[in-house]
Amino acid sequence: QVQLQQWGAGLLKPSETLSLTCAVYGGSFSDRFCSWIRQPPGKGLEWIGEINRSGYINYNPSLKTRVTMSVDTSKNQFSLKLSSVTAADTAIYYCARSPGVWALDIWGQGTMVTVSS
Amino acid sequence: QSALTQPPSASGSPGQSVTISCTGTSSDVGGYKYVSWYQHHPGKAPKLMIFEVNKRPSGVPDRFSGSKSGNTASLTVSGLQAEDEADYYCSSHAGSNNAFVFGTGTKVTVL
Repeated sequence: QVQLQQWGAGLLKPSETLSLTCAVYGGSFSDRFCSWIRQPPGKGLEWIGEINRSGYINYNPSLKTRVTMSVDTSKNQFSLKLSSVTAADTAIYYCARSPGVWALDIWGQGTMVTVSS
Repeated sequence: QSALTQPPSASGSPGQSVTISCTGTSSDVGGYKYVSWYQHHPGKAPKLMIFEVNKRPSGVPDRFSGSKSGNTASLTVSGLQAEDEADYYCSSHAGSNNAFVFGTGTKVTVL
């Protein structure tokens, strides 16, 4: 059973870079995509972007100038970086697997990231 | 790309049915068969309930069903149970630059 476990810094100052990692356990990701999604406090879900093991990347146009995604196939890990963060980037960040039918079937546990001076 | 529109809340008594709508445009909901629904209990990760408009992943009760007409998709929960109380989000594929567009979310309350 594939599981996703994520980690990263939970408290950032404005202008810093958010950095999160999502590790795949219990199986291979094959050519599935890893998406990153966030949920600001009291708000809905927002898709940030996706990447697969081949390095194909697709970013949400509203965030693409600040987002960088990467994959380490040797470690079965996906990473997210979001630069120049502000308070508006405060959110729970999730990684999730897309099995190829434009749905997200396995989710990480979520990481709360707070941006505050 | 704007978020898909969902009603903020819906409710029903145990055993009743509740239907949640998800309205988009011809560029997302109306243009693709890739509508999915997620159940989200606060503090937990979202759970996929429906994919490709009306398909259920293994383990999801058949009380949950999905449909689509034009630019509006719907999720129906039949035989409401206390554990169905949660936030529900729809999502749709929206083209090559918008793999996932989410709905605004609906809080379902079991009275």
